[in-house]
Amino acid sequence: NAGVTQTPKFQVLKTGQSMTLQCAQDMNHNSMYWYRQDPGMGLRLIYYSASEGTTDKGEVPNGYNVSRLNKREFSLRLESAAPSQTSVYFCASTTLGGAYEQYFGPGTRLTVT
Amino acid sequence: RKEVEQDPGPFNVPEGATVAFNCTYSNSASQSFFWYRQDCRKEPKLLMSVYSSGNEDGRFTAQLNRASQYISLLIRDSKLSDSATYLCVVNIGNQGGKLIFGQGTELSVKP
Repeated sequence: NAGVTQTPKFQVLKTGQSMTLQCAQDMNHNSMYWYRQDPGMGLRLIYYSASEGTTDKGEVPNGYNVSRLNKREFSLRLESAAPSQTSVYFCASTTLGGAYEQYFGPGTRLTVT
Repeated sequence: RKEVEQDPGPFNVPEGATVAFNCTYSNSASQSFFWYRQDCRKEPKLLMSVYSSGNEDGRFTAQLNRASQYISLLIRDSKLSDSATYLCVVNIGNQGGKLIFGQGTELSVKP
């Protein structure tokens, strides 16, 4: 039981490049989330998927797209990376909605130059 | 105004001290409340949920005041291993279960 896994752990991109961050959970959770964390800003929700087949925007969705591939997997895509997207990205999952504990992956540290 | 506000600290305390963190939230529709702990460069992990009647888990006590929209965390007999950032988290129940995180309060416990 690996919990929530994320790949890659580290990534450096040049401005304008694209990439996809992968997230998978093996806890049979319904809801999955993508956050970014910047110094002094706390965690901010980018997108979330309350259940398989649905996705919704969070607080800071601009410049990102997501895909809930199946119940286990939720990917985050940067189509044209910008330096403002330099951040630590966390994926999380929970049983159902926000009333329960969210389990986080180890994070992806992304630098855009 | 941020939806969840915390004193960023840092709080520097000696081992054995009692330390209290405060948090306020702005949305009166908030339904669930949590404290998460985040160690340096690691993912956040649930420390404890916060219930209306207040709750205790060992050296940790959480309180909720819905009327004042205020949450607190008290840590007694601080240990070196308590050094971390503590995140106040609120669930806005009518928004599909999204969690809103405060920016965190940094705690450093010194020998």
